[in-house]
Amino acid sequence: QVQLVESGGGVVQPGGSLRLTCAASGFTFSSYGMHWVRQAPGKGLEWVAFVHYDGSSRNYADSVKGRFTISRDNSKNTLYLQMNSLRAEDTAVYYCARSCSGGTCYTDYWGQGTLVTVSS
Amino acid sequence: DIVMTQTPLSSPVTLGQPASISCRSSQSLVHSDGNTYLSWLQQRPGQPPRLLIYKISNRFSGVPDRFSGSGAGTDFTLKISRVEAEDVGLYYCTQGTQFPLTFGGGTKLEIK
Repeated sequence: QVQLVESGGGVVQPGGSLRLTCAASGFTFSSYGMHWVRQAPGKGLEWVAFVHYDGSSRNYADSVKGRFTISRDNSKNTLYLQMNSLRAEDTAVYYCARSCSGGTCYTDYWGQGTLVTVSS
Repeated sequence: DIVMTQTPLSSPVTLGQPASISCRSSQSLVHSDGNTYLSWLQQRPGQPPRLLIYKISNRFSGVPDRFSGSGAGTDFTLKISRVEAEDVGLYYCTQGTQFPLTFGGGTKLEIK
């Protein structure tokens, strides 16, 4: 069965960096685009970033452009989110989610999420 | 960006009764490939989101048939024919037709 397991969350000071990891299993990872979506405490869902199945193309929300980098290693079935220059407003649960195909369409499977807290 | 507007914000429903959630997009969700990438997610308390409906009206694997989706263009609806206790939670519409992906603000389904 499809499994997505996020890790790497924690508490970081404003201006700091963190790298999130999403380990995928149960499907051919290299055939699917992947998203990061976040949810601030008590708030709704906010899309963060997307990477095509082969890593050739990436898209970002304006709120994270220039600070976050999405990447993937298809040999390790792993998705990453490098987060730099973190701000208090980046505090959220970060979910990785699979796209229905190599590009974007809809998200069909979601991980359990990892909490990132940006605070001094 | 495409704005997704959901109504109502909250929906108190009696067990066994129907429920309906509306979602409107600020522009057409018809993709250049002919598909309309409007989907519905359910988020139970303390859980990650889960796909219920994709491409307007297709139930995802394992989703009970009491859930149905309809609509076209910019107006969409999620219906639950008979609400059960396990349906309590937040429901989000979302579009994947165009970047950035966007979500509705969420509708809280609760039992009266």
